[in-house]
This record gives sequence, structure tokens and C-alpha cells, in this order.
Amino acid sequence: DTGVSQDPRHKITKRGQNVTFRCDPISEHNRLYWYRQTLGQGPEFLTYFQNEAQLEKSRLLSDRFSAERPKGSFSTLEIQRTEQGDSAMYLCASSFQRPPETQYFGPGTRLLVL
Amino acid sequence: DAKTTQPNSMESNEEEPVHLPCNHSTISGTDYIHWYRQLPSQGPEYVIHGLTSNVNNRMASLAIAEDRKSSTLILHRATLRDAAVYYCIPNYGGATNKLIFGTGTLLAVQP
Repeated sequence: DTGVSQDPRHKITKRGQNVTFRCDPISEHNRLYWYRQTLGQGPEFLTYFQNEAQLEKSRLLSDRFSAERPKGSFSTLEIQRTEQGDSAMYLCASSFQRPPETQYFGPGTRLLVL
Repeated sequence: DAKTTQPNSMESNEEEPVHLPCNHSTISGTDYIHWYRQLPSQGPEYVIHGLTSNVNNRMASLAIAEDRKSSTLILHRATLRDAAVYYCIPNYGGATNKLIFGTGTLLAVQP
């Protein structure tokens, strides 16, 4: 399967713990996006990489959140000192920089903070 | 950013055509109109996109109004597997091309 993969698919943690999610994009895609989706809402943009450079971060991305994309390949999203409000589906998407730039999404990581 | 309006929900019978409308009256001249759908417990899935002309692919057709202020996603024969939330996304979020999702239309397909 050459689609976008995410790991883990589910994560349950206690408030205050740190969690890290991984996204492996489609190999030839140079752009990678992270979104967050809460119940009943559409996905919301969190951050974006072009190759290894993080070029935009949403105001939703508090200082407890950090994302990396070393070497422009896979990406990680870390949440420090998790809060119950962080419970959501975290989605990763990748694309190739050429209009109309279709984004391909992974299956998501569902986080539950107790 | 262009504002979109979609019905919250629609219902269809299996094997019948479905027309999912979207109003995007503030769309700019260079914005593509994208449609994605999200099946239960899955990530969004690209369906189709267009700029000015009507478009067809193996999944659906996209009819774009001449003034580009509205579009309609057409599923020619709905199946139970088409039950999903359908998002109309007529704009890119600036230079980053982030997708700006609304709440979409929840399509229910009855057997």
C-alpha cells in the first residue's frame, strides 16, 4: 500500500502525559499537512511542511504542540502535557506541489485523554 | 477565504442519483472547487475538483455554475458505500494551500 500511513491508530493517555504521533506520507510528495478533527466538525488545519521546512502553524497549535519533518520524509506531531481538550482525531495529509494539489489523507490517529 | 454553504444532511435511495449542492458566492477567480468525502472512522478522501468547466471522473461529476458561485456534486447511482460526509472546499487557505473544511453534508443512503 503506497498511501499515507499514520501510527498509532488509537491512543489513550492520561492528562499530563506526552504523546507522539507519526505520519508517513506518499513518498514523492513534498508537502505534508496536519489537521485535527473533533466530533461533528470538519478537520481543522494545524501545520504544514514543504520538504523539511515548517512553513505555517495555526493558532490552534499551542506551545504544547510541536511537529517535525526531518529530512523531508516522515513527520511527527508531539503533544506535551496533554489536556482533555486535546482529545480528537489527528489527521495527516500529503500532496505534490502542483495545482490543483490534491491532498491525500491518512486514516488518522484517534487520541483520548482521560 | 471563500464562505461555503451546504445542507447539513441529505438522504437518497440506493441506485438513485444524488445531487449535493454547495454555494460559494465569495469564491475568487483562481480558486479551484474541491470535493472531499469522509466515510465513518476514516480520513477524508478526494472526490473531484474543477475550475470552470463541468468535470467527470469515475467517482462523480461536478457541475459548476457559470458564475462559479455554486457547484453541485453528482453521484450518478448512489450505493451504500457512498454514505459519508461530503465537503465542498472552494478555496485554498492562502499560499500554503491548506484545506478549509466546513461541516459538510451528511449523506444517508437507504437500501
